[in-house]
Amino acid sequence: AQSVTQPDIHITVSEGASLELRCNYSYGATPYLFWYVQSPGQGLQLLLKYFSGDTLVQGIKGFEAEFKRSQSSFNLRKPSVHWSDAAEYFCAVGVPVTSGTYKYIFGTGTRLKVLA
Amino acid sequence: DSGVTQTPKHLITATGQRVTLRCSPRSGDLSVYWYQQSLDQGLQFLIQYYNGEERAKGNILERFSAQQFPDLHSELNLSSLELGDSALYFCASSVGWGTGGTEAFFGQGTRLTVV
Repeated sequence: AQSVTQPDIHITVSEGASLELRCNYSYGATPYLFWYVQSPGQGLQLLLKYFSGDTLVQGIKGFEAEFKRSQSSFNLRKPSVHWSDAAEYFCAVGVPVTSGTYKYIFGTGTRLKVLA
Repeated sequence: DSGVTQTPKHLITATGQRVTLRCSPRSGDLSVYWYQQSLDQGLQFLIQYYNGEERAKGNILERFSAQQFPDLHSELNLSSLELGDSALYFCASSVGWGTGGTEAFFGQGTRLTVV
């Protein structure tokens, strides 16, 4: 069965420090991978996505993620965290349902706290 | 603004009652997804509709049902409500088909409190 694992429930970093959020997926074929961010009381906003091609993808707000097929991972990174990055981050995989349609399976999320 | 509209934003109701949550997808999106987000369960996929037809079911209880109407808006019906149904319910939409899939766009959610 398809699944997404985010091993870190909470992460705390200092403002200006680098960040890496881990994501591992379980899916037999080429995955379609996404990272979303959820600020308190808000819906989920797409940060970046990977469909094919270059395994290092750039997203909004200075985030990037690297797809590593050999490790079944899609880790999210940011070189210098800002206080406004404090939020919950979700990794997701898109899997085909019936011909042409897709559903999205989400990880349990990583809550990021940023220290001033 | 994602373009996905959910109403109401907040709902407080008593145990045993029935409620209906409404979702209007982004213009042009044919797929609608419902998710339940609670503290202990994370973001759980409930059900997907594509152009009016149910396409996938996740962890949706039998007390819950959904439908997508010809104008593509969707409703999630929750009945015989229990305290444990208190959660944030998200609707998302996407084009929903095509090579590679596309991302889902999320509404702001409906916060349901069962008392």
